[in-house]
Amino acid sequence: GAVVSQHPSRVICKSGTSVKIECRSLDFQATTMFWYRQFPKQSLMLMATSNEGSKATYEQGVEKDKFLINHASLTLSTLTVTSAHPEDSSFYICSAPTSGGSNEQFFGPGTRLTVL
Amino acid sequence: QKEVEQNSGPLSVPEGAIASLNCTYSDRVSQSFFWYRQYSGKSPELIMSIYSNGDKEDGRFTAQLNKASQYVSLLIRDSQPSDSATYLCAVNGGRNFNKFYFGSGTKLNVKP
Repeated sequence: GAVVSQHPSRVICKSGTSVKIECRSLDFQATTMFWYRQFPKQSLMLMATSNEGSKATYEQGVEKDKFLINHASLTLSTLTVTSAHPEDSSFYICSAPTSGGSNEQFFGPGTRLTVL
Repeated sequence: QKEVEQNSGPLSVPEGAIASLNCTYSDRVSQSFFWYRQYSGKSPELIMSIYSNGDKEDGRFTAQLNKASQYVSLLIRDSQPSDSATYLCAVNGGRNFNKFYFGSGTKLNVKP
């Protein structure tokens, strides 16, 4: 299957700081990428759809000024958690669908964020 | 009504048995259907995709799709303890073509 990478895999930061998470499609181009958040023992929650060359589309209840998304190229999307607080501690996962008809979606390995 | 519904489980089966996981979806015009496996603390991994009615087999896995009943299932034959994970059903290509809808997942325990 297609390969999606994320960096960093784990980050610990102090409350009030900003954290940037990168998502890259390594062997295919992705005009769309998705950002999810998953709390322990809960299901995936779609936060936003990242669109190359245009603004991201945020799900209801997700603050666009807090979770900044930039889809700078066909292989890179970034999520910046601004002024992070302990309640933002979660597992953040990006994904990208392949094109060409199969439309399969592949996930990055995830980033575990801990805000102290 | 949720877009994709799954029984949360846990579903417990003995090693070597067939595990049957089920999923229903609400958008009748959905076109693409996927099963993901997620181990604890890891991100989901795609294991099967199915697009047309009927069965699709890949090794020990068989996906079944019935669009008339809006029903997708995953059968795991000869279940192994390493199959113990949460299985997520995902649907795409409905009214909101660019969106993937995930079920909340079914936790499978395969007991040695």
